[in-house]
Amino acid sequence: ETGVTQTPRHLVMGMTNKKSLKCEQHLGHNAMYWYKQSAKKPLELMFVYSLEERVENNSVPSRFSPECPNSSHLFLHLHTLQPEDSALYLCASSQEEGEFGYTFGSGTRLTVV
Amino acid sequence: AQKITQTQPGMFVQEKEAVTLDCTYDTSDQSYGLFWYKQPSSGEMIFLIYQGSYDEQNATEGRYSLNFQKARKSANLVISASQLGDSAMYFCAMREAGDKVIFGPGTSLSVIP
Repeated sequence: ETGVTQTPRHLVMGMTNKKSLKCEQHLGHNAMYWYKQSAKKPLELMFVYSLEERVENNSVPSRFSPECPNSSHLFLHLHTLQPEDSALYLCASSQEEGEFGYTFGSGTRLTVV
Repeated sequence: AQKITQTQPGMFVQEKEAVTLDCTYDTSDQSYGLFWYKQPSSGEMIFLIYQGSYDEQNATEGRYSLNFQKARKSANLVISASQLGDSAMYFCAMREAGDKVIFGPGTSLSVIP
């Protein structure tokens, strides 16, 4: 167990489906993040939440909708995705300040068909 | 412009030998942090080691050490006594002001028995 739990581990969805990815941490961290990892590309930061407020949205298409109901939970709601959205979606959390970087979950492997 | 460069897409090392994974970075900040993460095939990103820009000594964590050369803006990871379980993707990352962590493209390490 890493301290950050992501569900589901694998997801296959059609382009007209609506699904949600869930991330949960019980580390007492104040910031949570969504990253997208596509094949042969660096990790792309999608969303940053600090103390449950979104502080950054890196020009992510509106078909991705994050939600942070409390400091322990983070969701990524998906609708009308495209095949190029297939990727590994990683959730991470961190203290606001600290030298130990992020704690990551194991990711959700998303395939859009 | 890419802020983190990892010039070795793939590396091979013999079991029990040492290996160096290269990382160079670009920043104008005086205060920043450098990280290395390991990502096995399971997908989870595992924090390995941290180096602060003001740290005068190179960071070490068990078999991992970070060869920090500030003037050259390089932060190479050295893994001593490689083990089969070290086979994974390795990502160099940097945190500038604002608590965002930027990742490099990664190096795939394969340990040969």
